[in-house]
Amino acid sequence: EIVLTQSPGTLSLSPGERATLSCRASQSVGSTYLAWYQQKPGQAPRLLIYDASSRATGIPDRFSGSGSGTDFSLTISRLEPEDFGVYYCQQYGSSPGTFGQGTKVEIK
Amino acid sequence: EVRLVQSGADVKKPGDSLKISCKASGYSFTTYWIGWVRQMPGKGLEWMGSIYPGDSDTTYSPSFQGQVTISVDTSISTAYLQWTSLKAWDTAIYFCARGLYGSGSVYFDYWGQGTPVTVSS
Repeated sequence: EIVLTQSPGTLSLSPGERATLSCRASQSVGSTYLAWYQQKPGQAPRLLIYDASSRATGIPDRFSGSGSGTDFSLTISRLEPEDFGVYYCQQYGSSPGTFGQGTKVEIK
Repeated sequence: EVRLVQSGADVKKPGDSLKISCKASGYSFTTYWIGWVRQMPGKGLEWMGSIYPGDSDTTYSPSFQGQVTISVDTSISTAYLQWTSLKAWDTAIYFCARGLYGSGSVYFDYWGQGTPVTVSS
């Protein structure tokens, strides 16, 4: 199965700063079959990005995704207070689907 | 409005059986995948498996193959995750989610609220 490695483990930033999260796959996920999710404590995950760069319904345009093959990134252009939480990438290019271990974005 | 409503929290003993549910509404149940995701206490998300209600085609992650069974009842738009003999390390929150197919697997656009399962003697 494909292993996804996210970095950094924790990102400490202030509101208004730019956040860049990385997700690297152990082998190609088949072009752009990668999604990003946000999870806050006590809540279910929320889909942010699918197909590596397409924003899900209702997701603000400060969230953007890029990459293909094995290297992907999620960028939050200007952090808002509600953006703090844990972010997961997930590949669906091959079975089984797999998640990265998560990046925690915390308030500095 | 798409909704996935899961059954409530459960407390079981090791060796017990359990079946948790996920009732879908607001969309055509048989034309989207349903997946199950585990989150152990303080840990990340783990993809367990998925099922296509239209034909019951089911895929499991190797880590969960033989440990759980995923099924559906299309007459009531409900998916299930079941265990025949729970272990202490099955203690986790289990999420169901609606899946869209990519290439080999699915990603999830709508999620249930999660079902906490505690297994303790």
